[in-house]
Amino acid sequence: LAKTTQPISMDSYEGQEVNITCSHNNIATNDYITWYQQFPSQGPRFIIQGYKTKVTNEVASLFIPADRKSSTLSLPRVSLSDTAVYYCLVGAQAGSYQLTFGKGTKLSVIP
Amino acid sequence: EAGVTQSPTHLIKTRGQQATLRCSPISGHTSVYWYQQALGLGLQFLLWYDEGEERNRGNFPPRFSGRQFPNYSSELNVNALELEDSALYLCASSLVRGRDGELFFGEGSRLTVL
Repeated sequence: LAKTTQPISMDSYEGQEVNITCSHNNIATNDYITWYQQFPSQGPRFIIQGYKTKVTNEVASLFIPADRKSSTLSLPRVSLSDTAVYYCLVGAQAGSYQLTFGKGTKLSVIP
Repeated sequence: EAGVTQSPTHLIKTRGQQATLRCSPISGHTSVYWYQQALGLGLQFLLWYDEGEERNRGNFPPRFSGRQFPNYSSELNVNALELEDSALYLCASSLVRGRDGELFFGEGSRLTVL
């Protein structure tokens, strides 16, 4: 299963666009890329999932280059409530989440 | 529609005791996953159950065990509790098999071992 690398923390001001990049150099052909958000003392919540190019939903956008060795989660105009830990996961099979989510990226939104 | 529910919300035990945590998946979901999240750490995969069978387990000692019932609810048992077992235990369920089905997490059970 592909290992992921993402920054430990990021700071942003309210109203700015935030981009969190995840590296997954050994991603496999069948792997999807999924991002989760976790608030303190809560379970993670699915944000977005993609395979290639760009995916957009009401919450975020996910940009995946052609080589799929990285991906970027884009949060438009963040607010204080977006302060959370963001996890990038790569896998293809049910149960691929058997591996640790890792420590994720702690995003702190500043007023 | 009810989400994933876990009980108890909080549990305090002493070293050597046993803890039992319960999880009810979203209706129709057959897969249940258990994760451990110690303070300040990422989620560590514990167990995956699907259709009543244990499909995979993470790198945890055998005193961590569980089961899935015919109604797909699940139970996590931790025997011979140690101080380092203190953590938030998260249960998740999913519907889709064979590809990355979205995981729906419960609010977790916080276990404190004194």
